[in-house]
Amino acid sequence: KNEVEQSPQNLTAQEGEFITINCSYSVGISALHWLQQHPGGGIVSLFMLSSGKKKHGRLIATINIQEKHSSLHITASHPRDSAVYICAVPLLDTGNQFYFGTGTSLTVIP
Amino acid sequence: DGGITQSPKYLFRKEGQNVTLSCEQNLNHDAMYWYRQDPGQGLRLIYYSQIVNDFQKGDIAEGYSVSREKKESFPLTVTSAQKNPTAFYLCASSIERGGLSEQYFGPGTRLTVT
Repeated sequence: KNEVEQSPQNLTAQEGEFITINCSYSVGISALHWLQQHPGGGIVSLFMLSSGKKKHGRLIATINIQEKHSSLHITASHPRDSAVYICAVPLLDTGNQFYFGTGTSLTVIP
Repeated sequence: DGGITQSPKYLFRKEGQNVTLSCEQNLNHDAMYWYRQDPGQGLRLIYYSQIVNDFQKGDIAEGYSVSREKKESFPLTVTSAQKNPTAFYLCASSIERGGLSEQYFGPGTRLTVT
């Protein structure tokens, strides 16, 4: 059983579509991270959130701590958004270890 | 610019050879990590280090070794004992902000062993 589950695994969208990627977790957490991995392999942190909602440009991340669920939304999607999006949660009381989801591979078609 | 560098980006080795992957950070972070990524799987922790001269095994440490002699550097050696070493290896460092840990990742090294 994975502590972090993401859906969908793969997603193809037309440019301009609104996209939602979901993350459910089964452990207690202090915060949840959304990461973006481009085809070259490098990973960048998009959001770290412990409650409510955060917005950065066309990206919006929400979290419901009670339901142990987070969503990443992309508005007006663009081909440059094509990447793998990874959800990660830190293990409580371990000093900085994380559980990672398997990622959602997004392809945005022009 | 601060960041994490990993070298080389691509590495090819023959089976039975040890190989060392470099990871350097100039972010002044205390904690550093090595992850392995395989297709269809989440990142898996190999080793992590909270402070210089100290490190702990992660979930899949067998066949790997690390050292942390300097704060900036956390090299990973993939030994011949690692049964399936071909993978994408990511190094990361982290900092605590307001009680929350934020990770920064390097660009990764893709290792192919034949």
